[in-house]
Amino acid sequence: QVQLVQSGAEVKKPGASVKVSCKASGYTFTSYGISWVRQAPGQGLEWMGWISAYNGNTNYAQKLQGRVTMTTDTSTSTAYMELRSLRSDDTAVYYCARVEANWGCFDYWGQGTLVTVSS
Amino acid sequence: QSVLTQPPSASGTPGQRVTISCSGSSSNIGSNTVNWYQQLPGTAPKLLIYSNNQRPSGVPDRFSGSKSGTSASLAISGLQSEDEADYYCAAWDDSLNGQNVVFGGGTKLTVL
Repeated sequence: QVQLVQSGAEVKKPGASVKVSCKASGYTFTSYGISWVRQAPGQGLEWMGWISAYNGNTNYAQKLQGRVTMTTDTSTSTAYMELRSLRSDDTAVYYCARVEANWGCFDYWGQGTLVTVSS
Repeated sequence: QSVLTQPPSASGTPGQRVTISCSGSSSNIGSNTVNWYQQLPGTAPKLLIYSNNQRPSGVPDRFSGSKSGTSASLAISGLQSEDEADYYCAAWDDSLNGQNVVFGGGTKLTVL
């Protein structure tokens, strides 16, 4: 069965960086892309970007350009999302999701990782 | 401010039919398919409808989706208490920055 298992909660100070991992299992990792979506407390879903696990191509939300980097390690079927220069409004639950190739929908999601940015 | 517009709340009684609307533009809903996600309290979102009106395996046929022009809607018939959740529409958007995913602001469904 398809599973996406994310790393644990993080507490960071403003200006620091965070790197969240998303380990995939139950499918051929390189056949799908991974998107990252975040959700601030009490707010809606915000798309952060996408990475192809096949060739590493990325597309980031314009709002996060320059602060976010998405990578994959095909040897361990793991995707990573690094966010730099953290601010308090980056406090959110961060989700990874598998991107279904034909329809572009997010058909499986990780459990979420809470990142808290606080001084 | 979300790119796709949804009503912030909706409600119904058990057994009723409710619909949730999602309005976009020519660069997103008008030219790409719409997906819907259900988020139960304290859990990760779950794919509910893809490609406008397709249900993934395991999603009851009480849930249906439709799209017309730059708008889409989600209908839930035979409302049940376990349907109480937040619902989000989403679509790829063809912008100058390439393809991005845009979400609606979410609709909180209350089963009275």
